[in-house]
Amino acid sequence: EADIYQTPRYLVIGTGKKITLECSQTMGHDKMYWYQQDPGMELHLIHYSYGVNSTEKGDLSSESTVSRIRTEHFPLTLESARPSHTSQYLCASSDTGPGYEQYFGPGTRLTVT
Amino acid sequence: AQSVAQPEDQVNVAEGNPLTVKCTYSVSGNPYLFWYVQYPNRGLQFLLKYITGDNLVKGSYGFEAEFNKSQTSFHLKKPSALVSDSALYFCAVRDRDDKIIFGKGTRLHILP
Repeated sequence: EADIYQTPRYLVIGTGKKITLECSQTMGHDKMYWYQQDPGMELHLIHYSYGVNSTEKGDLSSESTVSRIRTEHFPLTLESARPSHTSQYLCASSDTGPGYEQYFGPGTRLTVT
Repeated sequence: AQSVAQPEDQVNVAEGNPLTVKCTYSVSGNPYLFWYVQYPNRGLQFLLKYITGDNLVKGSYGFEAEFNKSQTSFHLKKPSALVSDSALYFCAVRDRDDKIIFGKGTRLHILP
């Protein structure tokens, strides 16, 4: 069982609210990722990090921001939630190098009303 | 440009029959290939990977995959399907620059 955690699992929030989705891993992985996924659909990479103080934007443009102050923690923040942000957000981590698999958290299902 | 294709949105298989979920890829250099499974309301779980060596790779839950360099394919297989195998399956390739590309996913339905 992978040691990567996401909270909350489910969040229903009103338009305009600021939210932070938490992601933590205990495996000491340098690389961490955030994906956006509509239920049952393909994954879209929105942010990733190579390590502490490193953050990069992914392939899908997103209004969210991320930070990486500690190796184990990679939170995602939306300053002003909108209904278009309704989706599932998956966090993942891996060792550095192309031969390593990713470990995924259980996801946060976000609904913005 | 790197890419991964899963040509079937959905695959239906009767329980007990063999199953195949297809994946083809395009990447410069040696490919690092992965299969993941996703059950409803869960994150992805790693099934197996090909890095180098034997073209037939064995993974979790009785799944295996065959790497075919000439056909640039990495199809996922299982000799005898179970109803509990019903899920969404993703193929992924990781290139030498450590960029990860996922296919669009294939929904597998195992019919009792």
